[in-house]
Amino acid sequence: AQSVTQLDSQVPVFEEAPVELRCNYSSSVSVYLFWYVQYPNQGLQLLLKYLSGSTLVKGINGFEAEFNKSQTSFHLRKPSVHISDTAEYFCAVSDWNTGNQFYFGTGTSLTVIP
Amino acid sequence: DVKVTQSSRYLVKRTGEKVFLECVQDMDHENMFWYRQDPGLGLRLIYFSYDVKMKEKGDIPEGYSVSREKKERFSLILESASTNQTSMYLCASSPVAGPYEQYFGPGTRLTVT
Repeated sequence: AQSVTQLDSQVPVFEEAPVELRCNYSSSVSVYLFWYVQYPNQGLQLLLKYLSGSTLVKGINGFEAEFNKSQTSFHLRKPSVHISDTAEYFCAVSDWNTGNQFYFGTGTSLTVIP
Repeated sequence: DVKVTQSSRYLVKRTGEKVFLECVQDMDHENMFWYRQDPGLGLRLIYFSYDVKMKEKGDIPEGYSVSREKKERFSLILESASTNQTSMYLCASSPVAGPYEQYFGPGTRLTVT
């Protein structure tokens, strides 16, 4: 089974500053990687996904992530955050062995400070 | 747009009660999933289903069962609710040709007293 690590449980950042949310996974086999966002009292919404091809993936709301196979990482970045980005962010992984089953990290709570 | 709906947003039940959580998706997806979400633990898979009447245990199936009689509907059953089942429950669906994203419902916050 995969293991997904989100090292930062809480990340405070000032408005308009850049942010990086870190995600590392355990296996080096071919993987599929996802970032989801959860706004308060809502379900999860897909931000972006990496299936193959270019290692730099762009998503919604100005977010992007870079797949690094050698470091087994998939860090999420945004160059300038807004108040509305305050939410919980989850990294998820699936692979050829697990098929449609996802493994989620424990989440990172991003708080944007005015 | 894919829509996944869950029968209740908030639910309060007593210890020992039988609890049904229902999930319906409108995109003809083969796969459906039930997760529970707890602070600091992320999402943990309880059960999933690849087709009607098929089910597979996830990482934490103890104390839960599921039912999938129709393709669009996936029910989570707590046979005898306990206080340690107080949690947020999230349903998701995805097409069988993967690895496509999972689409999530809004969640049910269950409190067992």
